[in-house]
Amino acid sequence: NAGVTQTPKFRILKIGQSMTLQCTQDMNHNYMYWYRQDPGMGLKLIYYSVGAGITDKGEVPNGYNVSRSTTEDFPLRLELAAPSQTSVYFCASSRSWSLVTGANVLTFGAGSRLTVL
Amino acid sequence: AQKITQTQPGMFVQEKEAVTLDCTYDTSDPSYGLFWYKQPSSGEMIFLIYQGSYDQQNATEGRYSLNFQKARKSANLVISASQLGDSAMYFCAMSRDTGNQFYFGTGTSLTVIP
Repeated sequence: NAGVTQTPKFRILKIGQSMTLQCTQDMNHNYMYWYRQDPGMGLKLIYYSVGAGITDKGEVPNGYNVSRSTTEDFPLRLELAAPSQTSVYFCASSRSWSLVTGANVLTFGAGSRLTVL
Repeated sequence: AQKITQTQPGMFVQEKEAVTLDCTYDTSDPSYGLFWYKQPSSGEMIFLIYQGSYDQQNATEGRYSLNFQKARKSANLVISASQLGDSAMYFCAMSRDTGNQFYFGTGTSLTVIP
């Protein structure tokens, strides 16, 4: 009963380095999301995916890339890390977008705290 | 533009008392969903309760209830019989009928006092 698993939990990067945040879900959810949470702020959507091979930009996509080769995995790539990308990153998934059944409830991973120095 | 507003950055409540956390939203969509999530100090996001805009009755989940007033565009969370473990950040969120966008408020920090 793992749900949504994110790795790593903590990471420190130097400016200009790149890294990938891993996200895996075992609930067979089609919809997956990446959010970032800055101090004192709500969550902002970076990228989302409606199924394998399909991704789209959210509110704050600059500096990030994603891929979705399988239903289970949705990695987030940070290219040329900048201090502005210091944040807590959450991966989430949902079963559907239906408002009627509430199946669009997001299940979140535990979060990944990234610091760029 | 869609927007969620939580005007209470911090709230205190006595243990065993009830508390209401405010949330107002702005949307022109005919249908939408409203959520509350809890984020304890450990950092994970925990789903609490959901209300569809078409629902006539307020949602309830155990000690949590959502006071939905559609005309006023408010979706307040009521926690009854507060417990020490309720101390956390609480986020109100809204999803559009297209489903691919969730909008989160800035959160309310709740502290339960013994």
